[in-house]
Amino acid sequence: QKEVEQDPGPLSVPEGAIVSLNCTYSNSAFQYFMWYRQYSRKGPELLMYTYSSGNKEDGRFTAQVDKSSKYISLFIRDSQPSDSATYLCAGGTSGSRLTFGEGTQLTVNP
Amino acid sequence: SAVISQKPSRDICQRGTSLTIQCQVDSQVTMMFWYRQQPGQSLTLIATANQGSEATYESGFVIDKFPISRPNLTFSTLTVSNMSPEDSSIYLCSVTLAGPEQFFGPGTRLTVL
Repeated sequence: QKEVEQDPGPLSVPEGAIVSLNCTYSNSAFQYFMWYRQYSRKGPELLMYTYSSGNKEDGRFTAQVDKSSKYISLFIRDSQPSDSATYLCAGGTSGSRLTFGEGTQLTVNP
Repeated sequence: SAVISQKPSRDICQRGTSLTIQCQVDSQVTMMFWYRQQPGQSLTLIATANQGSEATYESGFVIDKFPISRPNLTFSTLTVSNMSPEDSSIYLCSVTLAGPEQFFGPGTRLTVL
């Protein structure tokens, strides 16, 4: 079983839609979670960092963590074509080691 | 965050040769990591580059194949040795600053023929 499971998509939505991206994890040692955005032929860009259950909001992005069910989500409000990218979730343990999900490919259509 | 550069940005190499990838950061960082991202797949951690000592490798990765150096707090190299087509991948370095957040470089796209 992979430590971090993520639906690879692809996911296609119209501009302005609310996007929900989800991951599940099995490693109880994960202390924090991160969401990255990766455009084609670019390195991953850190979007959100959370370390406790609950919600964290940053502009149009909201990260949600439920440690009891080992479930993490990223919501994108008012999605834009510029949000079209691959989104990667990751769990982190001590020593800053990250384990990534497979990534979800998102396309926002104008 | 930090500004991270990698050289080369891409390369095409012949089977059996070696390639050294450089990662340079514009400020001192606490930790540096090397990842591999194979075509259509996610990121896999190769090793943690330790300053002044041997790198810490993840399961499935060995020093003879992926020797790593980190001579100071802003620079590291990853060598992909005795390459085969299966080594065709994107190689990424990442760094941490004060916290656990990792920031990634732009990647090196390697094709092995």
